[in-house]
Amino acid sequence: SQQGEEDPQALSIQEGENATMNCSYKTSINNLQWYRQNSGRGLVHLILIRSNEREKHSGRLRVTLDTSKKSSSLLITASRAADTASYFCAAYTGGFKTIFGAGTRLFVKA
Amino acid sequence: NAGVTQTPKFQVLKTGQSMTLQCAQDMNHNSMYWYRQDPGMGLRLIYYSASEGTTDKGEVPNGYNVSRLNKREFSLRLESAAPSQTSVYFCASSEAPITTGGEQYFGPGTRLTVT
Repeated sequence: SQQGEEDPQALSIQEGENATMNCSYKTSINNLQWYRQNSGRGLVHLILIRSNEREKHSGRLRVTLDTSKKSSSLLITASRAADTASYFCAAYTGGFKTIFGAGTRLFVKA
Repeated sequence: NAGVTQTPKFQVLKTGQSMTLQCAQDMNHNSMYWYRQDPGMGLRLIYYSASEGTTDKGEVPNGYNVSRLNKREFSLRLESAAPSQTSVYFCASSEAPITTGGEQYFGPGTRLTVT
């Protein structure tokens, strides 16, 4: 399969806790992005990390990239109920190919 | 500034019927895309348009056609719908060329059921 894979498939935490989601991919990439999708809505871009970067921050988001392991992680600190959504990684491999993972469903309990 | 808009939001078709999904963006983006999203799978690219007047096949183009009507609009047509085309369809656009793998802006989606 050429799809990226997120782990876990679903995650339930309490408000205030940190949420960590992982993504693995199969081929070399130029960059990797994370998107959020609220129920019944389109995807919203969160952050992009290039293949020569190892870590990137944006507000409460921290993304790491390990190209040797072909994996990335997304950490959301101090989660809020409004963070409840599905999170997708998208690995750009060149040309027109951006490979989206199947997503992690995050539920943050108030 | 509405971003990316799609119509309709929901549609039910019978096998063999045809329909066109409409997409428009008001961000002056050159690149536009059509994806489908199926349960347990990531988005898969159906067709894309790198610029006005050009269209190219993505990963899963069979059973679909597209038209880049102008810079704003990119439509997806199902000529003879099949149950396997039951899915949620997303249109997206990007400022950067598709070959840079940059940020994409997504519409709200069309939920299509083919019976």
